[in-house]
Amino acid sequence: SQTIHQWPATLVQPVGSPLSLECTVEGTSNPNLYWYRQAAGRGLQLLFYSVGIGQISSEVPQNLSASRPQDRQFILSSKKLLLSDSGFYLCAWRRVGEAFFGQGTRLTVV
Amino acid sequence: AQKITQTQPGMFVQEKEAVTLDCTYDTSDPSYGLFWYKQPSSGEMIFLIYQGSYDQQNATEGRYSLNFQKARKSANLVISASQLGDSAMYFCAMRELAYSGAGSYQLTFGKGTKLSVIP
Repeated sequence: SQTIHQWPATLVQPVGSPLSLECTVEGTSNPNLYWYRQAAGRGLQLLFYSVGIGQISSEVPQNLSASRPQDRQFILSSKKLLLSDSGFYLCAWRRVGEAFFGQGTRLTVV
Repeated sequence: AQKITQTQPGMFVQEKEAVTLDCTYDTSDPSYGLFWYKQPSSGEMIFLIYQGSYDQQNATEGRYSLNFQKARKSANLVISASQLGDSAMYFCAMRELAYSGAGSYQLTFGKGTKLSVIP
């Protein structure tokens, strides 16, 4: 069966510090992978998606970047966090008819 | 313009009654898919139901059914026999072709509806 792992679950980081959130998928190959952000009380905003190793598309220009060093690994990064980067980050992978999400990371920038 | 519109920020329903959560969408892609997700207070996103744009019949999954009206571009979620555990945020989402990446698809989400089930 396919599973998706995302960590850490919660993170408190000071402004200006770097960020690295990791997402890995098991049980499938060459998945489409996505990073979403959900600000408090709002819907999900697509940040990045990837159709393969090294292929990253950005939907919203901002302080974040993504990388896909391996087929089933998707990393969300920032060199210097801003207060506005606080939110709930979700990794997802998709196949025809379904999309699966990780447990999410609640990031608080202080 | 919004691609996915959920007009009900919050809904209340009595336990054991049915409730309909509205969702309308906008796309020019002839091939698309529609999803509903449930997000409890824990934050995880739980997949509920999927409807493909070419599916002839409305999707059903247990107590969940999707009222798909293609001409109206609506994909309402119907929850029958509501339970207290159904209290959560519900998101409608659409899969469509992402033209910024050849051959790739993206999921676009609505802003969600908060459902509260009253005992």
